[in-house]
Amino acid sequence: DQQVKQNSPSLSVQEGRISILNCDYTNSMFDYFLWYKKYPAEGPTFLISISSIKDKNEDGRFTVFLNKSAKHLSLHIVPSQPGDSAVYFCAASQYNTDKLIFGTGTRLQVFP
Amino acid sequence: DTGVSQNPRHKITKRGQNVTFRCDPISEHNRLYWYRQTLGQGPEFLTYFQNEAQLEKSRLLSDRFSAERPKGSFSTLEIQRTEQGDSAMYLCASVRDSYEQYFGPGTRLTVT
Repeated sequence: DQQVKQNSPSLSVQEGRISILNCDYTNSMFDYFLWYKKYPAEGPTFLISISSIKDKNEDGRFTVFLNKSAKHLSLHIVPSQPGDSAVYFCAASQYNTDKLIFGTGTRLQVFP
Repeated sequence: DTGVSQNPRHKITKRGQNVTFRCDPISEHNRLYWYRQTLGQGPEFLTYFQNEAQLEKSRLLSDRFSAERPKGSFSTLEIQRTEQGDSAMYLCASVRDSYEQYFGPGTRLTVT
């Protein structure tokens, strides 16, 4: 039962353009959502998060959008840079459970 | 803030042997989590501690797995009688008062 889904295993974007990574979830009890970035042989690095009471959160080049009615969130990276090339994981948390439920990841490649 | 550290970074063991991993969380982080990540998947929750108390264990954590956090600081994860299916990246994360978990670099276990 995959509660958090990232249906695009990979995405290729030109440097300077926008990268949009998508994530869907099934559990309406999730109340906090996070995006992590992972390079090979390293642990995931926290990028940005959003509470379910908001629909947008922005931090520099990164913006996360949440559509609760559609149970969908997206991460926008603009402008994309070659250093953004990594695997991006969407994760969700439910109040009082503390653990994170992760999607399967999307590999982003930013080419010059 | 030196980040979460994990040792060893790599472990190769023969099937049937016992292995132990260590995680040192960020100081003053009272919650510590263990996850397991296999190829093509996102991290999967195994267990977590609030200070020295182990509060939740996933059904993924068979009776061959045991975790401790004896003084509420570092934690160990032991796998007894390893099987080839235990081959994975074992990740540790810590957090103080928020949802954002900070991950270590992981321990890659290979069971031959």
